Parts: sequence; structure tokens; C-alpha cells
Amino acid sequence: SQTIHQWPATLVQPVGSPLSLECTVEGTSNPNLYWYRQAAGRGLQLLFYSVGIGQISSEVPQNLSASRPQDRQFILSSKKLLLSDSGFYLCAWSVGASYNEQFFGPGTRLTVL
Amino acid sequence: AQTVTQSQPEMSVQEAETVTLSCTYDTSESDYYLFWYKQPPSRQMILVIRQEAYKQQNATENRFSVNFQKAAKSFSLKISDSQLGDAAMYFCAYRGGGETSGSRLTFGEGTQLTVNP
Repeated sequence: SQTIHQWPATLVQPVGSPLSLECTVEGTSNPNLYWYRQAAGRGLQLLFYSVGIGQISSEVPQNLSASRPQDRQFILSSKKLLLSDSGFYLCAWSVGASYNEQFFGPGTRLTVL
Repeated sequence: AQTVTQSQPEMSVQEAETVTLSCTYDTSESDYYLFWYKQPPSRQMILVIRQEAYKQQNATENRFSVNFQKAAKSFSLKISDSQLGDAAMYFCAYRGGGETSGSRLTFGEGTQLTVNP
């Protein structure tokens, strides 16, 4: 069966520090991968998605970046965090046709102080 | 650009009663897919139900059903026989079917459902 992992689960970082959040998927090949951000009490905003290794599409210009060094690994990074980067970050995967659901990871709660 | 609107920030229902959550969307595409996701306090996103736009029949999953009105661009979720475990934030989501849309989901802002015992 397929599983998706995210770490860390929670993170508190000072403004201006770097960020690296990792997402890995098991049990599937060549998935589409997604990074979402959810502000408190709000909906999900798509940040990045990837249809293959090294292929990244950015939805929202900001100080975040994403990379996909391996087929089932998706990394969200920042060189210098801003206060506005605080939120709940969710990774998701899907395969195949558009009607297939996206499966979400457990998320990372990031607080920037 | 596609947009998804959930006009009810909060809803409440008595246990065992029925509740309907509203969702409208805006799109110029003819081929697309609609989803309802549930996010309990654990914040894990869980798919509740999905609807293909080309299907006229409304989707049903046990106590959950949708009222899909394509011309009105409306996609409401009905929860029958509400249970305490149904309490969660519910998100409506849109996904285009064309190649240019990729497989991205556009989410509404969510409806917080409270189930009263």
C-alpha cells in the first residue's frame, strides 16, 4: 500500500533562517507531487507541483522553492524565512488521470518567530 | 482562473440529522472534477466524495451524497444521519481535466461543521 511521510511534524524557526521540509512517498512510482500551504482556519493554497524528477512548477511567486531530486522525494526550501511563511504545509501525491484523488501527508506546522 | 467559493464558514447540525454544505465554482472548462475533502482536528486531509463533470448522476458514498448542478456550477455536499465523527472542516475542491490544467486542485476556504450531541 502507498504511504506518504512528511518531516518534521512541527518546526519553530527564527526569521531569516533557512528551511527544508521533506516529503517522501512509498508504494507508487512516478507520482505527481504537490506542496500546499494552509493558513490558520483557511483553505489550501498550492505552492508547487511536480510531474517528474527535476520538473517543478511554481504557482505562487515567493521566497520558497521546491526540488524533486528523486522520483518519490519532494523538498520545500527557503534561504531566508519570513514571518508570513508561518503555516501548515501539506504534501500530496496523485497518479494517473485527473479524476484520481490526491493523497495528503500528515503535514508540518511551521512557526516563524 | 478557476475559483471555488464556500459561502458558509460555519455550520452546525444535531446528531442523526441531515446537513448540506454549499459550494460554487467558476470555470470555463467543460471537463473537470470536483471533490469534497474532510479535515478533522488531526488536520489529515481525507477524501469524502468526488464527482466527474461529465456524469449527470450525483455521486454517493454511504451517508454522503452530492447535488451537482453543472449549469449553475454548484456542488453541495449532503451528510445524512450526522455522527459526532463527522465534525471537521470540509473543503470543496476543483480539478481541471485538460492538459493545461495539469492535475492541480483549487480549494475553497472551507466550512467548519460542528455536530451537536
